[in-house]
Amino acid sequence: EDQVTQSPEALRLQEGESSSLNCSYTVSGLRGLFWYRQDPGKGPEFLFTLYSAGEEKEKERLKATLTKKESFLHITAPKPEDSATYLCAVRGTAGNKLTFGGGTRVLVKP
Amino acid sequence: DAMVIQNPRYQVTQFGKPVTLSCSQTLNHNVMYWYQQKSSQAPKLLFHYYDKDFNNEADTPDNFQSRRPNTSFCFLDIRSPGLGDAAMYLCATSRDDYGGETQYFGPGTRLLVL
Repeated sequence: EDQVTQSPEALRLQEGESSSLNCSYTVSGLRGLFWYRQDPGKGPEFLFTLYSAGEEKEKERLKATLTKKESFLHITAPKPEDSATYLCAVRGTAGNKLTFGGGTRVLVKP
Repeated sequence: DAMVIQNPRYQVTQFGKPVTLSCSQTLNHNVMYWYQQKSSQAPKLLFHYYDKDFNNEADTPDNFQSRRPNTSFCFLDIRSPGLGDAAMYLCATSRDDYGGETQYFGPGTRLLVL
């Protein structure tokens, strides 16, 4: 069974204080690892898809990286508007459903 | 912009009174999904349609049904809502249902059961 564990559960940052979120996964044949951002009371907003170890993708202050066991979401010089819950999900060859982690709640204070 | 739309954004119903949530998409994707998300939890897949083929998750209660009359629309019917069904209901779409296809989510419908 596919499993995803995200850490930390919550992260408080000062504006400009860079940090990383971790997503550890076990999956039978990774087809894709997905990062989403979710604001309170809204649906998840797609950020990145990573397909193979060594792959990196960037968008503004966010950079996602992937190894064979984990993915990191790096937030560089965060701003208050980066405050949200960040969800990691994987899809493997065993099934066609996404398996989500529990999310990391990020709060960036001015 | 191509998007996933959910209506209504907020729905209040009474215990046991049937309710229908709707989802539409302009992405022309083959697959439409329904998720249930309770407070501070990850989304939980209820079922999905690949085109007209319905795929139910094994642990989805019979109280939850779905219809997809055409490519663009999909409905979630809750036949007899209980207090435990209060949650955010998310619709998502993807071009296909295998491999690394990305799922795109709508804004969600918050259901309150009184």
